[in-house]
Amino acid sequence: GQNIDQPTEMTATEGAIVQINCTYQTSGFNGLFWYQQHAGEAPTFLSYNVLDGLEEKGRFSSFLSRSKGYSYLLLKELQMKDSASYLCAVREWSYIPTFGRGTSLIVHP
Amino acid sequence: EAQVTQNPRYLITVTGKKLTVTCSQNMNHEYMSWYRQDPGLGLRQIYYSMNVEVTDKGDVPEGYKVSRKEKRNFPLILESPSPNQTSLYFCASGSAGANVLTFGAGSRLTVL
Repeated sequence: GQNIDQPTEMTATEGAIVQINCTYQTSGFNGLFWYQQHAGEAPTFLSYNVLDGLEEKGRFSSFLSRSKGYSYLLLKELQMKDSASYLCAVREWSYIPTFGRGTSLIVHP
Repeated sequence: EAQVTQNPRYLITVTGKKLTVTCSQNMNHEYMSWYRQDPGLGLRQIYYSMNVEVTDKGDVPEGYKVSRKEKRNFPLILESPSPNQTSLYFCASGSAGANVLTFGAGSRLTVL
């Protein structure tokens, strides 16, 4: 089975940088995903990491350390529209990812 | 447009009245899955399917049934809905070996 842990809620200021952490414990590992979900809407894919290191995509970056069972999502130059839930999901050896409970990010002016 | 379509988007029903939530994808994806999302509990997987006629239980399958007779469709059936099945339901699909799940817009179900 899997155990995925991420903070329930975070707040940040428009224009700032925020880091959302995700720790996991799995018996196998075949990738870690981050999804963004605005209230009442469907989750949308943000990033995928399977090797250690940082993946950068515009204002968003995702980092993975497999030995530590740790990932973070870094959001730069925060905008009000970044207020959403951020879901960490981990895939073991099958195709099926398991989702954490999500981190609700509130961006204020 | 590549998409996952769920219907109905909103439904209020009563205990015991059988209902089906449909899910259809137009991307020829092998993998399809149903999730429910409840406050504080995140996305929990109900059932999934790796291909036609292949379905498996997820983490919370009790009270639900699914079928996968065609590649594009993966309906979720609640034979006798109960109030604890009031939730927001998402269908998702993905291509085997790919890394991205595409989600439907969600179906908000209320069971009175």
